[in-house]
Amino acid sequence: GESVGLHLPTLSVQEGDNSIINCAYSNSASDYFIWYKQESGKGPQFIIDIRSNMDKRQGQRVTVLLNKTVKHLSLQIAATQPGDSAVYFCAENRGTGGSYIPTFGRGTSLIVHP
Amino acid sequence: KAGVTQTPRYLIKTRGQQVTLSCSPISGHRSVSWYQQTPGQGLQFLFEYFSETQRNKGNFPGRFSGRQFSNSRSEMNVSTLELGDSALYLCASSLVSRLAGGIQETQYFGPGTRLLVL
Repeated sequence: GESVGLHLPTLSVQEGDNSIINCAYSNSASDYFIWYKQESGKGPQFIIDIRSNMDKRQGQRVTVLLNKTVKHLSLQIAATQPGDSAVYFCAENRGTGGSYIPTFGRGTSLIVHP
Repeated sequence: KAGVTQTPRYLIKTRGQQVTLSCSPISGHRSVSWYQQTPGQGLQFLFEYFSETQRNKGNFPGRFSGRQFSNSRSEMNVSTLELGDSALYLCASSLVSRLAGGIQETQYFGPGTRLLVL
């Protein structure tokens, strides 16, 4: 399968638990943030996004929190399921020329035990 | 609706050769971005094309180039391959939405092309 990092941080949880994945970003000018999920052998998949004028956004079973003071982003997954096992990474985006230039975090490997 | 497709899926080249990778975006998407993913550096932005024009570029040497055709299909080329170019090359197409709070760009990634340079 695909490996996105030899030394990725790993989070192991039991099925049904809530998971929290953290990400620190570096550019205070970043104004748009995205969380992606990447399963083995596949490309990244969009999960949820948040703009810098917000501090929380909720989706289906997922919540993203943004703390601009400490440049920190977190992804909360409720009632984690085995199908959530994947690498998760955040992307900070700096707007330019009508679109965005993304910078990606290294990723966290989430392992869900049944 | 068909997803982003990339060809070939796997490729083996030797140092000094050049390679061309292809990406077909989702129908109706006009923006195509390319990324390199390696265990050491993670996922890095290469460049973005919109309406056949390069709109943004990451910090990669000039050996990496790309283009976009009128049907939004895109190719990227790497010349004079080096061992360090071994990576998964990902293409993503975008449906850009202009919302009241600004631009919201949802990217859809293809499965990638795995390039091995020997």
